[in-house]
Amino acid sequence: AQSVAQPEDQVNVAEGNPLTVKCTYSVSGNPYLFWYVQYPNRGLQFLLKYITGDNLVKGSYGFEAEFNKSQTSFHLKKPSALVSDSALYFCAVTDSNYQLIWGAGTKLIIKP
Amino acid sequence: DSGVTQTPKHLITATGQRVTLRCSPRSGDLSVYWYQQSLDQGLQFLIQYYNGEERAKGNILERFSAQQFPDLHSELNLSSLELGDSALYFCASSVGSATGKETQYFGPGTRLLVL
Repeated sequence: AQSVAQPEDQVNVAEGNPLTVKCTYSVSGNPYLFWYVQYPNRGLQFLLKYITGDNLVKGSYGFEAEFNKSQTSFHLKKPSALVSDSALYFCAVTDSNYQLIWGAGTKLIIKP
Repeated sequence: DSGVTQTPKHLITATGQRVTLRCSPRSGDLSVYWYQQSLDQGLQFLIQYYNGEERAKGNILERFSAQQFPDLHSELNLSSLELGDSALYFCASSVGSATGKETQYFGPGTRLLVL
């Protein structure tokens, strides 16, 4: 079955430190990959996506993600975390029918 | 502001009742998606409409139905409500191609509480 895994329910990072939110997937073909962020009591907001080309994708708010085909991963990264980055992060991947499969979400907590 | 609007913001109702949630997509977007977000099941895709026609179906219960109108707004109807239907319901819209490359833009959600 096609799936997306976000292995960590929660990630804790000190402000100013680099952060990584992990995402791995199991789908057939060459999927497109997305990251969305959800702030408390808000809808999801698009962060970035990988369609083709450079494996390192840059997105909003200083976030970037690296597509690794051999490891079927698309980890979200930021060099220096801000308290305001605290939110729920979702990874999503297209399946063979170009429909999105969503991860369970990772709660990111940035401590001052 | 994503440009997607949802009404109402909050809805409290009783078991067995029926409610209708409304979504207006971003200007120019032809596709509308409905999602349910609950604590125990996370974000679940329910259904997608494109230009008035159903395009894809996810984990939508038979008690739930949706439609997209000629002006492209969409409604999600939830009937015979159960306690477990309490959740945040999101609508998202996109331009509407079938390539999978497009970004979805989410509304602020409707929080449904079934008592």
